[in-house]
Amino acid sequence: SAVISQKPSRDICQRGTSLTIQCQVDSQVTMMFWYRQQPGQSLTLIATANQGSEATYESGFVIDKFPISRPNLTFSTLTVSNLSPEDSSIYLCSAGSGNEQFFGPGTRLTVL
Amino acid sequence: SQQGEEDPQALSIQEGENATMNCSYKTSINNLQWYRQNSGRGLVHLILIRSNEREKHSGRLRVTLDTSKKSSSLLITASRAADTASYFCATEGISGGYQKVTFGTGTKLQVIP
Repeated sequence: SAVISQKPSRDICQRGTSLTIQCQVDSQVTMMFWYRQQPGQSLTLIATANQGSEATYESGFVIDKFPISRPNLTFSTLTVSNLSPEDSSIYLCSAGSGNEQFFGPGTRLTVL
Repeated sequence: SQQGEEDPQALSIQEGENATMNCSYKTSINNLQWYRQNSGRGLVHLILIRSNEREKHSGRLRVTLDTSKKSSSLLITASRAADTASYFCATEGISGGYQKVTFGTGTKLQVIP
């Protein structure tokens, strides 16, 4: 199993600013993923964070808006840039271990 | 786009009754997982069923998988008020050359004491 922590747990940001979310896994994992969960909705995959190469983004998500870093096998960051109220969501980091997916507790972002 | 569609979207039952949630998906999968999410909280992994399995049990949970119909069901027996949560199915497969997990739309379960 893997234990995943995220920082910050929540934040309130002003329109036009950026927020960087950190994700730390307690063991080395090959795959790390970032999801967005809008209010009352299911989880949508933003991108797969690849160690040593650029992230792979899903349709509708672009690197300029959601830059991702993956400097090693236990850590990743997601930045949500040029914030607007529509970005208010929970952002979750996850990592695969075997065939099971583990999730961080999420970061609740509110954009004013 | 979402891989899985779940029904019902919402379910309200009395404590002690059984709750059944269904999930349908569109493409080939390696496995299917069910998660629970309490309001405002993170996801809790409940159970994983592989594509070559048809049924799996874990405590009060029973999961079935029918790959010919591309569907799965989650049964919670003898429900408790603490089971009140949203339940999501998530399918793992290869898409665009990458392994990824995609989530269904979710079922909101309310268990009334």
